[in-house]
Amino acid sequence: AQSVTQLGSHVSVSEGALVLLRCNYSSSVPPYLFWYVQYPNQGLQLLLKYTSAATLVKGINGFEAEFKKSETSFHLTKPSAHMSDAAEYFCAVSERGSTLGRLYFGRGTQLTVWP
Amino acid sequence: DTEVTQTPKHLVMGMTNKKSLKCEQHMGHRAMYWYKQKAKKPPELMFVYSYEKLSINESVPSRFSPECPNSSLLNLHLHALQPEDSALYLCASSQFQGLNTEAFFGQGTRLTVV
Repeated sequence: AQSVTQLGSHVSVSEGALVLLRCNYSSSVPPYLFWYVQYPNQGLQLLLKYTSAATLVKGINGFEAEFKKSETSFHLTKPSAHMSDAAEYFCAVSERGSTLGRLYFGRGTQLTVWP
Repeated sequence: DTEVTQTPKHLVMGMTNKKSLKCEQHMGHRAMYWYKQKAKKPPELMFVYSYEKLSINESVPSRFSPECPNSSLLNLHLHALQPEDSALYLCASSQFQGLNTEAFFGQGTRLTVV
C-alpha cells in the first residue's frame, strides 16, 4: 500500500505570507498525486493534481505544487496567504495501473492564517 | 456538472434504527466510493464500486451495507450502528481512466449515533 507523509499537522502564517505545506510519498513508481482542501463540515475539494505532464502544477485559488521525483515530494505552495485559505489540507496518492482510483491520504495539515 | 450530491446532510439515529445514505453523480464516472472520516483525521476508504459491482470492501462491519442500483447512484444502508460509528460519511466518484484519475467528493453526511 502507498504511504503519504505530511510534515506538520498545523501550519500558521500571517496574511500575505508564503504558504508551504509539505507532502512526501513512498513509492518507487511515481503515483498520481493530489492536494485536496476541506473546510469545516464540508467535503473535499480538489486543488490540483499531478499525473505525468509538467512537474509544476497550478491549481485553483492561486495554489501550485511541484513534483520532485528525486525527493519523492509534492509540496503545496501559495505566494500570498489569504484569510479564506484557512482550512484542512490533505495530500493524497493513487497508484498507477488498475487500482480503481482508490486514494491514500496523508494525515492532513491544518492551515491557520493570522490577520 | 462536476457535482456529487449526498443526502441527507445530517442524520441522527438510534442504535436500533435502520437508515440509508444516498449519493448521486451524473458525470458518467465508472467508480464510486464510500469514505468514513472521523474528526481531525483523514478519510478512510470503506467501499469501492466499479461498473456497479462491489470491488473493494475494506473489512467494514456488516452493519454497513452498500448498494449500487445503477451507474449514477450509490447507497449506504445502516443498521444497528454503534456510537463509535458517528462520523462524516463521504461519497466520491472517479473516472479513473487515463489522466482523469481524480476523485470528486460530495459534501458528506454528518452521522450521529445515539
